[in-house]
Amino acid sequence: GDSVTQMEGPVTLSEEAFLTINCTYTATGYPSLFWYVQYPGEGLQLLLKATKADDKGSNKGFEATYRKETTSFHLEKGSVQVSDSAVYFCALSGSVSGNTPLVFGKGTRLSVIA
Amino acid sequence: NAGVMQNPRHLVRRRGQEARLRCSPMKGHSHVYWYRQLPEEGLKFMVYLQKENIIDESGMPKERFSAEFPKEGPSILRIQQVVRGDSAAYFCASSPTGVAEQYFGPGTRLTVT
Repeated sequence: GDSVTQMEGPVTLSEEAFLTINCTYTATGYPSLFWYVQYPGEGLQLLLKATKADDKGSNKGFEATYRKETTSFHLEKGSVQVSDSAVYFCALSGSVSGNTPLVFGKGTRLSVIA
Repeated sequence: NAGVMQNPRHLVRRRGQEARLRCSPMKGHSHVYWYRQLPEEGLKFMVYLQKENIIDESGMPKERFSAEFPKEGPSILRIQQVVRGDSAAYFCASSPTGVAEQYFGPGTRLTVT
């Protein structure tokens, strides 16, 4: 079945450092890919998405590019802030046009220190 | 437009009691999904519903767990005879038809004592 593997945390960075969180996936067909962020005690918020190969999703300084050849969707940010401290989840949907359950990675906890 | 609403936010039950978790999707969304998150784990799919129909319940334990999404009112996830292993955060998500991304509620944190 479909699966998502993301780098294990925790990741600790200093403010203004560069962030990369790796995510690779296994899926049949052409999935849609997502990054969600979860702040302490809250639900998941959609951070960005990409629905086809070579699409780049971006939001709030975060970016991720859908790489079909490497089955990857790595999350990057050029300069992190303390407020970016959260758990980040990579996820896929097996259908780009329909409604299907999401498959999540285990999450990567990011701590940014001033 | 209000987001996905879940209540209660926190629920404490003793072993053997019943837990009822409620979810109201975003306005205009007719697809509801339930996920469970264990401590330090990702989210695991449980069940997918549309109004009055269960579409996919492949992730839901066959015993003690049930879900519904009636024509009127919120979706309900029901856990009968709770055990300690049911302690987790339960998240509901919704989406409109034909859209892959889902929008999550704040979750219900169930503690079984």
